[in-house]
Amino acid sequence: GAVVSQHPSWVICKSGTSVKIECRSLDFQATTMFWYRQFPKQSLMLMATSNEGSKATYEQGVEKDKFLINHASLTLSTLTVTSAHPEDSSFYICSAPTGIPPETQYFGPGTRLLVL
Amino acid sequence: GENVEQHPSTLSVQEGDSAVIKCTYSDSASNYFPWYKQELGKRPQLIIDIRSNVGEKKDQRIAVTLNKTAKHFSLHITETQPEDSAVYFCAASYAGNMLTFGGGTRLMVKP
Repeated sequence: GAVVSQHPSWVICKSGTSVKIECRSLDFQATTMFWYRQFPKQSLMLMATSNEGSKATYEQGVEKDKFLINHASLTLSTLTVTSAHPEDSSFYICSAPTGIPPETQYFGPGTRLLVL
Repeated sequence: GENVEQHPSTLSVQEGDSAVIKCTYSDSASNYFPWYKQELGKRPQLIIDIRSNVGEKKDQRIAVTLNKTAKHFSLHITETQPEDSAVYFCAASYAGNMLTFGGGTRLMVKP
């Protein structure tokens, strides 16, 4: 299957700092990428849709000023958690549709964020 | 928006038995239904998917069925093995848009 990478795989930071997470499609171009958050023993919840060349679309209840998304190129989307707090500690996963077939999505390996 | 319900939340079977996980969806426009397997701390892995123009799809020990009228779809795993133990998620989407996930099923296969 297609390859989606994510960096870093885990990060520990102090409360109040900002953390940037990168999501890359390695062997295909993705005009759209999706960012999910997964708390322990829970399902994946869509946070936002990242669109190359335009603003991200955020799901209800997700603060766009706190979770900054930038889709800089056809292979890279970044999620920045600004002024992180302990309640932001979670598993953040991106996904990208490959386009072949159009609906199939592959996930990055995820980033585990722990805010102290 | 779309809402996906998944049952059961936990499922324990004996090795060699079959496992069935069921999902229902609310948006009749949804036309793509993938199933993902997630092991602890890892990414969800696509194991099988089905599109709305098909009623059933099979890949070795895994099969998925879709009933568009009733808006439900199911995952069937036959001859379960301990390595099948994981959390399974169903999802639904329309035309390659974002996936809406079910709540997940923790499958435990006892040797």
